[in-house]
Amino acid sequence: IQLTQSPSSLSASVGDRVTITCRASQGISSYFAWYQQKPGKAPKLLIYAASTLQSGVPSRFSGSGSGTDFTLTISSLQPEDFATYYCQQLSSYPITFGQGTRLEIK
Amino acid sequence: QVQLVESGGGVVQPGRSLRLSCAASGFMFSSYGMHWVRQAPGKGLEWVALIWYDGSRNYYADSVKGRFTISRDNSKSTLYLQMNSLRAEDTAVYYCARARAPYSSTEHGSDPWGQGSLVTVSS
Repeated sequence: IQLTQSPSSLSASVGDRVTITCRASQGISSYFAWYQQKPGKAPKLLIYAASTLQSGVPSRFSGSGSGTDFTLTISSLQPEDFATYYCQQLSSYPITFGQGTRLEIK
Repeated sequence: QVQLVESGGGVVQPGRSLRLSCAASGFMFSSYGMHWVRQAPGKGLEWVALIWYDGSRNYYADSVKGRFTISRDNSKSTLYLQMNSLRAEDTAVYYCARARAPYSSTEHGSDPWGQGSLVTVSS
């Protein structure tokens, strides 16, 4: 299953509301996750089961979607949110990631 | 605290072999599925392999199937990735990551992750 994220890169300002989309090449279950990765660091799990917030992740992050279309929303960008974001499907093997969305400061 | 520490990376010639290890601590290793994920320099994440908590099932990316083998030693709380017939395109940072939920619940993402081990395949 191929995952296509959009946009590939995004410039935004602190306080903005941002939405990242991930489209699957075929319908999948809700076994879907979002990760944040900062330069030189390991990825961090933000959302699992498409919409469940991982423990310790700020509530400004939210996930939604089903079937082929999934979204990650950051309600009010904070300085520490500028990073690269990846979607992942765990509905079927092989597990796959999206190509990533780089979120930059405007 | 939960910790994963990879080791075994380095520079290796094309066609040779290398084994990565991932030492786990701070949780019941034998209760969790474990993943390997890699990231080529400047590129995105690529899932490599998954092994169930008891070692009964393994899954691989098409790009490594037949060349890489994932295994675990629950008595040592250690995960392994045996990499054979290495190619230049296998050059990457290799991360081990724990399934978020225990036992056969491997569908809910990976957390935490190790710091990564760099493998460079070059002559």
